[in-house]
Amino acid sequence: AQSVAQPEDQVNVAEGNPLTVKCTYSVSGNPYLFWYVQYPNRGLQFLLKYITGDNLVKGSYGFEAEFNKSQTSFHLKKPSALVSDSALYFCAVSLWDTGRRALTFGSGTRLQVQP
Amino acid sequence: DAEITQSPRHKITETGRQVTLACHQTWNHNNMFWYRQDLGHGLRLIHYSYGVQDTNKGEVSDGYSVSRSNTEDLPLTLESAASSQTSVYFCASSESEGVTDTQYFGPGTRLTVL
Repeated sequence: AQSVAQPEDQVNVAEGNPLTVKCTYSVSGNPYLFWYVQYPNRGLQFLLKYITGDNLVKGSYGFEAEFNKSQTSFHLKKPSALVSDSALYFCAVSLWDTGRRALTFGSGTRLQVQP
Repeated sequence: DAEITQSPRHKITETGRQVTLACHQTWNHNNMFWYRQDLGHGLRLIHYSYGVQDTNKGEVSDGYSVSRSNTEDLPLTLESAASSQTSVYFCASSESEGVTDTQYFGPGTRLTVL
């Protein structure tokens, strides 16, 4: 079965510094990977996804993610963090499982950006 | 603008009561999903539907049911609420069934079962 791991419950970074939120995956076929962000008392918002092609995927709000097949990772990055980036971030993997599309989420990483 | 809404946003109920959570989308998406979010578990799939009259069980479907009578709505019913069903519930929709398709989420319903 597929799985997604987000090894850090929380990431703290100073405003203006680069940020990385880590995600590793385990799937038996081709991975299709997603990042979502959740602001307090809101639903999940789509940031970006990797389907195929370029390993560096650019998304909303200046975020990007790097797909690394050999390390089975899909880390979320941003060159310069903003206080407004503070939120809960979820990595997810999508594939076919027993005849249906399954979207499996990691447990989430809370990003705190300090002024 | 097209959107996905959930109601109520907050609900407190008692053990054993039947509860229905509403989900309504105006994107005309064929596919709709219900997830629950619990600390340390991320989101887990409860039920999903690929179209009118189609419903399927997800990984944590026990104690829940859904029905799909039109494209826009997928209500989630807790037949007899249990304290273990205290959670935040999210509805989502997507245009196609493909594994690369993006799901769009509603704002969530926080349910407390006392």
